[in-house]
Amino acid sequence: SAVISQKPSRDICQRGTSLTIQCQVDSQVTMMFWYRQQPGQSLTLIATANQGSEATYESGFVIDKFPISRPNLTFSTLTVSNMSPEDSSIYLCSVEEVTAGGPLGTDTQYFGPGTRLTVL
Amino acid sequence: AQSVTQLGSHVSVSEGALVLLRCNYSSSVPPYLFWYVQYPNQGLQLLLKYTTGATLVKGINGFEAEFKKSETSFHLTKPSAHMSDAAEYFCAVSEPGGSYIPTFGRGTSLIVHP
Repeated sequence: SAVISQKPSRDICQRGTSLTIQCQVDSQVTMMFWYRQQPGQSLTLIATANQGSEATYESGFVIDKFPISRPNLTFSTLTVSNMSPEDSSIYLCSVEEVTAGGPLGTDTQYFGPGTRLTVL
Repeated sequence: AQSVTQLGSHVSVSEGALVLLRCNYSSSVPPYLFWYVQYPNQGLQLLLKYTTGATLVKGINGFEAEFKKSETSFHLTKPSAHMSDAAEYFCAVSEPGGSYIPTFGRGTSLIVHP
């Protein structure tokens, strides 16, 4: 499976500032995803990022708040803009990996270690 | 539309006892099913997955899960719990051929007592 790294692993930020989270994959992947995991909650998909196109955002998430870049097939960034304490969460990057010979083409998501963000 | 229900936000077992974490799903097509584990202060790690074929799926760390279509369930089991199994476990479902993006359950926290 793909090896995924994220930077930073954790950060404590002040209200009103922005933080950019980086996600690096050790192989080329078409689809990359950004999730949010609020304290004690499950994962919520923020957006899907394809290389060479605009990210697709899920309901409740907008580009002005969570701008995403996908400059190549191994890298993506998520920015959390104008932060408030409600943005305190774990932010997870994931990639889709297709099993060789899989007839339906899409298979499993693998996750990075996450970025733990605390906003004061 | 797909959905996942994990019964019990917390499950507590003694070391050496059977682990059973429950997951029921809803899907309009034959689903892909997954169990992920999240250890403290770490990301999610894939434990096992069911796509097609054999309904009893074996994963890492001695875990296994059985797909039961008639019960729309995919419960996770392990015969003997270890202290190191204490973690958050997430069940997820995706619909191949449609919206392949998985939907996650709310998670079950496994507590293992010595």
